[in-house]
Amino acid sequence: AQKVTQAQTEISVVEKEDVTLDCVYETRDTTYYLFWYKQPPSGELVFLIRRNSFDEQNEISGRYSWNFQKSTSSFNFTITASQVVDSAVYFCALSEVRDDKIIFGKGTRLHILP
Amino acid sequence: NAGVTQTPKFRVLKTGQSMTLLCAQDMNHEYMYWYRQDPGMGLRLIHYSVGEGTTAKGEVPDGYNVSRLKKQNFLLGLESAAPSQTSVYFCASTINSFSGANVLTFGAGSRLTVL
Repeated sequence: AQKVTQAQTEISVVEKEDVTLDCVYETRDTTYYLFWYKQPPSGELVFLIRRNSFDEQNEISGRYSWNFQKSTSSFNFTITASQVVDSAVYFCALSEVRDDKIIFGKGTRLHILP
Repeated sequence: NAGVTQTPKFRVLKTGQSMTLLCAQDMNHEYMYWYRQDPGMGLRLIHYSVGEGTTAKGEVPDGYNVSRLKKQNFLLGLESAAPSQTSVYFCASTINSFSGANVLTFGAGSRLTVL
């Protein structure tokens, strides 16, 4: 069965520091998708990125970047020059092609201190 | 477009009472999901549906029932509420998930407290 592990429960950094959120996944499928979602203090869940198992290119979007490594089953998320508005809970998720479930990790609560 | 709408947003129940959470989406999505969010536990999948008239169990289905009589609606029922079901419930939908590629659209959440 698929599994997503976010070992970092809570992280605090000072504004403008870089921070990396770890995500490790388990799957028996060769075709799957990985996602990151953000949950700000207001509570809604916001999609950030999707990556399929055949695309190991790193992705950068502004201050956000994602590093996908199949060899270590990891899909890590880095925020560069963090800002207070980045404070949120971040979830990593996994979807297998042969299964309709979409499974989430336990989330990492990120505090950006001014 | 409203997207995904959950009702009610807040509810307090006594142990043993029953209730139904309604999830409605206006995006013609095939797949719908119910998750619960608890501190330190992340989002856990309760039940899901891949189309009208279908339902399936997720990671934590015990104590809940669901129905998908209409494509746009996905109901989550608690027949006999227990304090362990105190949680924030999120509904989500996606166009279809046969490729695993589709992004979830979430509702705003429903906070349920069972006393």
